[in-house]
Amino acid sequence: GAGVSQSPSNKVTEKGKDVELRCDPISGHTALYWYRQRLGQGLEFLIYFQGNSAPDKSGLPSDRFSAERTGESVSTLTIQRTQQEDSAVYLCASSLAVSNQPQHFGDGTRLSIL
Amino acid sequence: DAKTTQPTSMDCAEGRAANLPCNHSTISGNEYVYWYRQIHSQGPQYIIHGLKNNETNEMASLIITEDRKSSTLILPHATLRDTAVYYCIVRVHNSGSARQLTFGSGTQLTVLP
Repeated sequence: GAGVSQSPSNKVTEKGKDVELRCDPISGHTALYWYRQRLGQGLEFLIYFQGNSAPDKSGLPSDRFSAERTGESVSTLTIQRTQQEDSAVYLCASSLAVSNQPQHFGDGTRLSIL
Repeated sequence: DAKTTQPTSMDCAEGRAANLPCNHSTISGNEYVYWYRQIHSQGPQYIIHGLKNNETNEMASLIITEDRKSSTLILPHATLRDTAVYYCIVRVHNSGSARQLTFGSGTQLTVLP
């Protein structure tokens, strides 16, 4: 399809393991966002990529979290040494860089830390 | 970004129009009104946005009052699949910086058979 694609859709792992989440944005969208959404709560901004500019990492909750993006395509969010409080849905969104263009979201990765 | 106020919940009969209100009395001149919705277990879905003119697309219509202090999202023929939490967001473009979204509590719309 033409939407934002995230994988895996579900991930269950043990505390202390590393996980890598993937996002394929809509083709041509230069802006890419990662959010976290805990059960029953709103969106928590994590990181923002815009073209070749330095990413805005101001929302990353700790140094266990990192993200990369290859050019204007795929992005990966990595969580090292996972903790139980990392359990959440991790959402990726992309948009055109033009002013006030809407963000389009994937269906997220549901991460469960045992 | 300006604060928005929405009713906590609303019901609508299937096939009827769903009218979802949003108050944004502190909106400034360069802030847009956006609507998103989130169906259970899915990511947020963009619906529509506007500045001051009424807007219509394949999903919905957006009616913005002349003073821009409130707006209404209209789903013309609600279906059961439209049951979701609907979020009204007011935001301004910040060139060169992250334009992350912040959702309030939204309106839980339940479409009844």
